[in-house]
Amino acid sequence: NAGVTQTPKFRVLKTGQSMTLLCAQDMNHEYMYWYRQDPGMGLRLIHYSVGEGTTAKGEVPDGYNVSRLKKQNFLLGLESAAPSQTSVYFCASLRNNANNEQFFGPGTRLTVL
Amino acid sequence: DAKTTQPPSMDCAEGRAANLPCNHSTISGNEYVYWYRQIHSQGPQYIIHGLKNNETNEMASLIITEDRKSSTLILPHATLRDTAVYYCIVSTSNTGKLIFGQGTTLQVKP
Repeated sequence: NAGVTQTPKFRVLKTGQSMTLLCAQDMNHEYMYWYRQDPGMGLRLIHYSVGEGTTAKGEVPDGYNVSRLKKQNFLLGLESAAPSQTSVYFCASLRNNANNEQFFGPGTRLTVL
Repeated sequence: DAKTTQPPSMDCAEGRAANLPCNHSTISGNEYVYWYRQIHSQGPQYIIHGLKNNETNEMASLIITEDRKSSTLILPHATLRDTAVYYCIVSTSNTGKLIFGQGTTLQVKP
């Protein structure tokens, strides 16, 4: 199993550009999450999904959109990137039982100029 | 979800036990205590979790006080590779949401 993978690993954007980050998991997990981590800080939840076709807002959802059209994929979109969105983005997935361990991807390092 | 309080940093000698404390005085009866760690800039790694009873796995032990207001993560024989930021998280959400604080930076020294 590859576990949780994220594409791309690095990206530099100009202010106002758009992009989509892809998270994929091959563990048949029901739940998926997008977090961001700024320097010296803990992770903050952006959006999450409790199943295919469902999404919900986390702590810091503004400026982001998500989609979960397939169970194995969770996409994070930035429609108009801003310098404040410079961060490392982590995706995670969780098995059906909510009280269990989340598996994290390696992260995507995004810089917005 | 209840908040947690952790010391910002700790040191431990290699080969010795590392005891990382966490206060969660507002924890409610159905909230679990989770521990994750993050090495360098990698994605966080699950360590252990528990509700009331003490738990042990191949990585660590989790000791939860009887009143559940605090807990301690124990790494029995710390190695240099255990140097990381350790996060204590309390969560009950049936959505599995985790709210991360700033954690404890553990430095294991030779």
